[in-house]
Amino acid sequence: KAGVTQTPRYLIKTRGQQVTLSCSPISGHRSVSWYQQTPGQGLQFLFEYFSETQRNKGNFPGRFSGRQFSNSRSEMNVSTLELGDSALYLCASSLAGTSNTEAFFGQGTRLTVV
Amino acid sequence: DAKTTQPNSMESNEEEPVHLPCNHSTISGTDYIHWYRQLPSQGPEYVIHGLTSNVNNRMASLAIAEDRKSSTLILHRATLRDAAVYYCILTPRGSGGSNYKLTFGKGTLLTVNP
Repeated sequence: KAGVTQTPRYLIKTRGQQVTLSCSPISGHRSVSWYQQTPGQGLQFLFEYFSETQRNKGNFPGRFSGRQFSNSRSEMNVSTLELGDSALYLCASSLAGTSNTEAFFGQGTRLTVV
Repeated sequence: DAKTTQPNSMESNEEEPVHLPCNHSTISGTDYIHWYRQLPSQGPEYVIHGLTSNVNNRMASLAIAEDRKSSTLILHRATLRDAAVYYCILTPRGSGGSNYKLTFGKGTLLTVNP
């Protein structure tokens, strides 16, 4: 079955702009999580959605937001981009988002802010 | 969240077994132990998870100490493709909903020599 698909794979944006990233989870999976990966901070949890509801949020400013659609596809948005937002953004899907299930990650979207 | 401690790096030779340790002395009785790995330029990949008993799957084995304060991921015959950063992560049992997330540390960088 198809894996987790993230689009686009690469993105270059200018400081102050906004950006929307997309994630299509594995068919049947209802939980979608987003992570930011930078060389300095490693992998950090952004938020998790389940059945169109945000259930958990990490310690990121309100410029980072997301949503999930009825087909479980998810988008994350970053407004007023800063240079420090340059990172690899990863999406993970799991069947139900519980401690006893595995998460499947996409290849990520590499965002560069100039 | 309970914390895990892993060596920064380890080296192995191809076709030899690899034992990757993880200390989690503050683990609670209901925390699951998960292992993920991240190959260069890819998203993390699920390897294995367990609660109390040792676990085996096609990729690896997970040996959990009797007191659960440590665990070891075992790759039975390392290949060049196993060179990656390996993350040991704890997830509270029954967590789902508002507290579901994966908390990544710095992991162990495994180098496999031909």
